[in-house]
Amino acid sequence: GAGVSQTPSNKVTEKGKYVELRCDPISGHTALYWYRQSLGQGPEFLIYFQGTGAADDSGLPNDRFFAVRPEGSVSTLKIQRTERGDSAVYLCASNPTGTLHEQFFGPGTRLTVL
Amino acid sequence: AQTVTQSQPEMSVQEAETVTLSCTYDTSENNYYLFWYKQPPSRQMILVIRQEAYKQQNATENRFSVNFQKAAKSFSLKISDSQLGDTAMYFCAFMKHGVLLGGSQGNLIFGKGTKLSVKP
Repeated sequence: GAGVSQTPSNKVTEKGKYVELRCDPISGHTALYWYRQSLGQGPEFLIYFQGTGAADDSGLPNDRFFAVRPEGSVSTLKIQRTERGDSAVYLCASNPTGTLHEQFFGPGTRLTVL
Repeated sequence: AQTVTQSQPEMSVQEAETVTLSCTYDTSENNYYLFWYKQPPSRQMILVIRQEAYKQQNATENRFSVNFQKAAKSFSLKISDSQLGDTAMYFCAFMKHGVLLGGSQGNLIFGKGTKLSVKP
């Protein structure tokens, strides 16, 4: 079946603008994760959803970052007043309830803040 | 807090040879999972192999195997018969064991990665 998809693939924006990044998990997967991968680094956890609720948002760097998953499937990561330091690849992953903890990743959105 | 360290930023290996990528981690947890993920230039993270900490037997997956040393907190990846398609970034990752509502919970904690180049 289809894997995790993310749109857009690339996003270029100007400092101070608002952006939304979308993640479409594998159908039926109840758990969804957002990670941020800066250049030359491994991915860093941002937020985890179980169903519609954010079970752990401890990785969000500040209150400019927010994520929603209103119907328990698609999730949107929202970044307000973007800064150049927000430039990174934003990865989304999902996994189903009751499996052996493998997270299936999407191809990521590369965000560039000019 | 848990940390994952990959001390080899870059490695290269000749096609058909064997290469070992190193990973160490720090945790006070007794139950956890360890993973190796591959990230080719397409950016898609692909699971290579997984190890449950409570299992003493090292995981193997075709040409990929691990050397898990729990006391030393070491988790190295061995790739045998290297192929050109193995060229990628390799990330070691840690996850605490947990069950929430019968499902998975918890974020992955990644190392900085090792860039592996397989040369013809």
